[in-house]
This record gives sequence, structure tokens and C-alpha cells, in this order.
Amino acid sequence: DTEVTQTPKHLVMGMTNKKSLKCEQHMGHRAMYWYKQKAKKPPELMFVYSYEKLSINESVPSRFSPECPNSSLLNLHLHALQPEDSALYLCASSQDYANTEAFFGQGTRLTVV
Amino acid sequence: SQQGEEDPQALSIQEGENATMNCSYKTSINNLQWYRQNSGRGLVHLILIRSNEREKHSGRLRVTLDTSKKSSSLLITASRAADTASYFCATDANTPLVFGKGTRLSVIA
Repeated sequence: DTEVTQTPKHLVMGMTNKKSLKCEQHMGHRAMYWYKQKAKKPPELMFVYSYEKLSINESVPSRFSPECPNSSLLNLHLHALQPEDSALYLCASSQDYANTEAFFGQGTRLTVV
Repeated sequence: SQQGEEDPQALSIQEGENATMNCSYKTSINNLQWYRQNSGRGLVHLILIRSNEREKHSGRLRVTLDTSKKSSSLLITASRAADTASYFCATDANTPLVFGKGTRLSVIA
């Protein structure tokens, strides 16, 4: 199984809502990532978990809260988002923290209204 | 922060032609990788070239790396309509991947 599964595929939420994005991999990868991608832009790194510990937070606003319940799961909790947070949110995993290929999920298309 | 810069930003070719995309980066790296992204979907890993390698092939793909010029190129030979996508280079230096701006390739049947 070389898949990274993200749910939901699409999400529309209001600025006062709380929602969560989910990501799952069963490749035994020890590093998992959240990226944010705006239209016609490259993915931008948000968070990195290595061995289930948060190792990088790229100065992401606190309205985005990551969680890694176990080595296969990665969540991104969303609260009080702004319309400019609308984007494609991509989860990825890799065998190690660096120097290996990353496997990406299909993303969650988030629209904040 | 962005490390790689692809050139051209957009490329349109006829089916059967070759497509060449270039990537320049700023700092020393361990590896350089190329990814493809179909519209609005996840990225797919294409090829990884290590800093001590100069050229690598995978099917219709050929990647070169010149660390002295801090640049890489991706050549897709005999292009197909299904190759239409955005292509990103990504670098790592014991860090998570940092992606370039990407090249949008359109292959016209």
C-alpha cells in the first residue's frame, strides 16, 4: 500500500466553524507533513511530524492546529479560519525526515466562507 | 521559503515533441527531486537525483544536475497529452522538501 489517504476531499466551512482534516498512511513512514497550496503556486510547508513529534512549525497561525495521534495518522484542526485560508491542503509522508521521496495525498480543497 | 525556481513558467508543445524544464536553486543540497501535479490533485514523485550524480533516467524522463551552477533540468521525451501537468523541482538539505514555483506543461494532441 503506497497511498496517503486524505479526507474529506472537499470542505466548505464558515469562519466560526471548527473542522478537522485527516490523513492516513500505512507505509510505516516516520515523517508526516502538512502543506498548503494556493492556486498556481507551489506547496508551502506548514508542519512536520517526525516520529510522532512536531519538529517543524513554519510560523503557522494558531487557528491551524496539527495533531499526530499515532504513526499512521495526522490531523489538522481548523478553527476561526479566514477566507484567505481557502486553499488545497496536502498531506505527505516519507520514510525519514529528509533525503527520501515524499508520497502525497490527493489533498483537501478547503473553502472558507 | 522557496528554494527552486523553474523555467519556463509555462510551456506548450505538440504531442510527440520533447519538453525541457529547468530548475535553479540557491543553497547546497543533498538531493533534488522532481514531482508532477495534475490539476488540483496531489503531487506524484517522478525522480530523485543525489548531489553526487550528474544524470539519471527513468522511462521517458531524463534529469541532469549541475551542482556548480546550482541547476537541474527535466527532459520528457516523446510527450503525450497525458503529460499535461505542473512540474515542480524540490530540494532538500537534511530538511523537508522546499518546492520551486513550477512549470505548467501543456501537451496538445
